[in-house]
Amino acid sequence: QKEVEQNSGPLSVPEGAIASLNCTYSDRGSQSFFWYRQYSGKSPELIMSIYSNGDKEDGRFTAQLNKASQYVSLLIRDSQPSDSATYLCAVDYTGTASKLTFGTGTRLQVTL
Amino acid sequence: ETGVTQTPRHLVMGMTNKKSLKCEQHLGHNAMYWYKQSAKKPLELMFVYNFKEQTENNSVPSRFSPECPNSSHLFLHLHTLQPEDSALYLCASSPQGGGKAFFGQGTRLTVV
Repeated sequence: QKEVEQNSGPLSVPEGAIASLNCTYSDRGSQSFFWYRQYSGKSPELIMSIYSNGDKEDGRFTAQLNKASQYVSLLIRDSQPSDSATYLCAVDYTGTASKLTFGTGTRLQVTL
Repeated sequence: ETGVTQTPRHLVMGMTNKKSLKCEQHLGHNAMYWYKQSAKKPLELMFVYNFKEQTENNSVPSRFSPECPNSSHLFLHLHTLQPEDSALYLCASSPQGGGKAFFGQGTRLTVV
């Protein structure tokens, strides 16, 4: 059973701080990794993808991947109240036909 | 809008009813998916279609019947559902071979 683990939270950070969201996965053969943001009552929205070890930055978001430790993280710099949402980690084990396995998500609360 | 449209947005049905969920994507993608999202659980992949052919059935009960007439349209036919089938049903699409799934707004289904 391939699994993706996330702390459900809530993770509470003050406005302007760095939010760090973590995810571990069970299958070393995993190929692709994704972070989705889901606001309450809405559908998941893709915000980051990462495929190789290291960091990938996009605006205030940085995804970090460590395949040896089977660990992927998402950093959100200068957190804003509008970042308050549930962040879903997703892993593509197949590398081909896009079969994503999702974690339960971490709820982030950015406080004023 | 993400380019993936689902109808209806909300559906209440009795256990003896038959209803259908519809999904349409305008992104030119070749893969389409049905996911189920229940409270406190990870997104569960139900069905995968590639180029209108079903490539994955994730042990879904037969009371859920998918149909994919072409690469742009996907249906989920529902009959004799149970109250525990109440959930958010999400349609998604992705390019061939790519892991970036784009989700529709979802259908909130309540079985009474």
